[in-house]
Amino acid sequence: AQSVAQPEDQVNVAEGNPLTVKCTYSVSGNPYLFWYVQYPNRGLQFLLKYITGDNLVKGSYGFEAEFNKSQTSFHLKKPSALVSDSALYFCAVRGASGTYKYIFGTGTRLKVLA
Amino acid sequence: GAVVSQHPSRVICKSGTSVKIECRSLDFQATTMFWYRQFPKQSLMLMATSNEGSKATYEQGVEKDKFLINHASLTLSTLTVTSAHPEDSSFYICSARRMLFVGEGAVPYQETQYFGPGTRLLVL
Repeated sequence: AQSVAQPEDQVNVAEGNPLTVKCTYSVSGNPYLFWYVQYPNRGLQFLLKYITGDNLVKGSYGFEAEFNKSQTSFHLKKPSALVSDSALYFCAVRGASGTYKYIFGTGTRLKVLA
Repeated sequence: GAVVSQHPSRVICKSGTSVKIECRSLDFQATTMFWYRQFPKQSLMLMATSNEGSKATYEQGVEKDKFLINHASLTLSTLTVTSAHPEDSSFYICSARRMLFVGEGAVPYQETQYFGPGTRLLVL
């Protein structure tokens, strides 16, 4: 069965420092991996995805994520955090076997402190 | 980028009434849309997959007679919460699957779900 784990409920980081939001996955076959961000009372905004190709994926708003097959991880990163990055971040996986359902992690709340 | 809208954004209703939520893909056609439910400080829970021109596929534990889904066109899916009760109060989010093809009849080379802004339902 497919699953996604986001081990941290909350991540605090100082403005200007690099940030990492962790995600590990379990899926049969090659995974399709996604990161979304949610601001209060809003829907999800797409940040980036990995399907194939380079392990380092660049996305919106300066975010990037590194796909690591051996560690089954897809951590979200940004070199320099902004206060406006404070939001709820969701990692999601979709199996490549033909199902189009996304399985979401439990979310990680990122707080960037000024 | 692809845009998905939801209407209404907020709705308050009395217990026992029915509420309809619309999900529209504004600049692309979506044969498949998804309906999620999100409780406070929790992740999204997939309720059902909405397929244009056919019956929706519901996830285990989701009452199909309670949550009616209609996907009448390639840009519109509706979720109707029938005989709503306070426990149905939640944040409902839809997504639309966008597929990009190379040439006619080809296998899609790119597929992404785009999410609507959500509808907050409060049942009194």
